[in-house]
Amino acid sequence: EIVMTQSPATLSVSPGERATLSCRASQSVSNNLAWYQQKPGQAPRLLIHGASARATGISARFSGSGSGTEFTLTISSLQSEDFAVYYCHQYDRWPLTFGQGTEVEIK
Amino acid sequence: QVQLVESGGSVVPPGRSLRVSCAASGFTFSSYAVHWVRQAPGKGLEWLAVISYDGTTRYYADSVKGRFTISRDNSKNALYLQMNSLRVDDTAMYYCARTLTAFTYGANPFEIWGQGTMVTISS
Repeated sequence: EIVMTQSPATLSVSPGERATLSCRASQSVSNNLAWYQQKPGQAPRLLIHGASARATGISARFSGSGSGTEFTLTISSLQSEDFAVYYCHQYDRWPLTFGQGTEVEIK
Repeated sequence: QVQLVESGGSVVPPGRSLRVSCAASGFTFSSYAVHWVRQAPGKGLEWLAVISYDGTTRYYADSVKGRFTISRDNSKNALYLQMNSLRVDDTAMYYCARTLTAFTYGANPFEIWGQGTMVTISS
């Protein structure tokens, strides 16, 4: 099983600042990597797929990069609605796996 | 609009069975693979199972293999998860999720999610 490790567990950021979230895979997943945002009481929402492609309707504030085993999600200027938990997800090999999540909180 | 709606969650004792369902609307259900993903209270996401668009291929996580069965009825636009021999650690919100791209179950992220149905295993 591919283990996905996200860092940091919690990221404290002020509104308007940039946030950088990391995700590492225990083996290469090529670019079969997605990022999801989840707010309390809601289902996850797809932000990024193919490591760097924004999903439909997602703000250009969100960008993804990386390939192989190292990936990054960047939120360029945090808005109030961006404070949430973010998960990376590899869909390269079975079983599909998720990272443990990074909570982005208001500083 | 494109939508998935789960139902069937309940409180059941350990060792019992339960079937949860997912109703699809707003898209051609028979063209997409669909998955079940769960989230224990306060925890992260765990993928459970996938079924191909035509129902011929299924994969499961080791944690549920042999106990859970994923199935679909394309004539009813419905996805199911039959859960047997339930354990306390199966307590979670259960989400169904549709893939981004039609006709492919592999290498395909989850574009559409339902709101989930809560399953609680407790005596």
